[in-house]
Amino acid sequence: IAGITQAPTSQILAAGRRMTLRCTQDMRHNAMYWYRQDLGLGLRLIHYSNTAGTTGKGEVPDGYSVSRANTDDFPLTLASAVPSQTSVYFCASSPGGGRDTGELFFGEGSRLTVL
Amino acid sequence: AQSVAQPEDQVNVAEGNPLTVKCTYSVSGNPYLFWYVQYPNRGLQFLLKYITGDNLVKGSYGFEAEFNKSQTSFHLKKPSALVSDSALYFCAVRVVPSNTGKLIFGQGTTLQVKP
Repeated sequence: IAGITQAPTSQILAAGRRMTLRCTQDMRHNAMYWYRQDLGLGLRLIHYSNTAGTTGKGEVPDGYSVSRANTDDFPLTLASAVPSQTSVYFCASSPGGGRDTGELFFGEGSRLTVL
Repeated sequence: AQSVAQPEDQVNVAEGNPLTVKCTYSVSGNPYLFWYVQYPNRGLQFLLKYITGDNLVKGSYGFEAEFNKSQTSFHLKKPSALVSDSALYFCAVRVVPSNTGKLIFGQGTTLQVKP
């Protein structure tokens, strides 16, 4: 059972570099999400996609971009990383549409450190 | 604005004793409420949800939660704690209007169960 696969698991990155976090799901879920987790702040939504070909901004979208070319993949890109983007990033999915009650399925996370 | 608050950063309980992890929410309309658990270096796992119906919701691993509309609370409970229940617990509310899994998370509560 795979569910959601995130890569890399961990990465140290120099400020100003470009970085893409990968996320792939095999549950044929329509909706996908990127959250960041920071101590004392819980999880905050960065971007989401209700279905392939559409994306939307979450609570903290600045400095991040996403694409949803197909159902399975939802990469998150940091065009020019800054230290404040040091965080643990979680990709999640949900069925979407009328079947969706809000229960999310999460990946194992990508720990990103920007120096 | 919609929000979730978990007033306790940490809850300590002895094994075998009942546990409660508190959550209050602010949302317009009828809330969809969730509890998730996160074990160290892992992604979040769904525990239970309240959408409608009985105020007492039963979930995974013997956990339950009580929805109290007048107090706008959704506290997580378990009659007898296990050491293996030690983890980080998140309360969340679904963003409205929404037909997907866009959630607002609380800041998390660390549960420490001691033998």
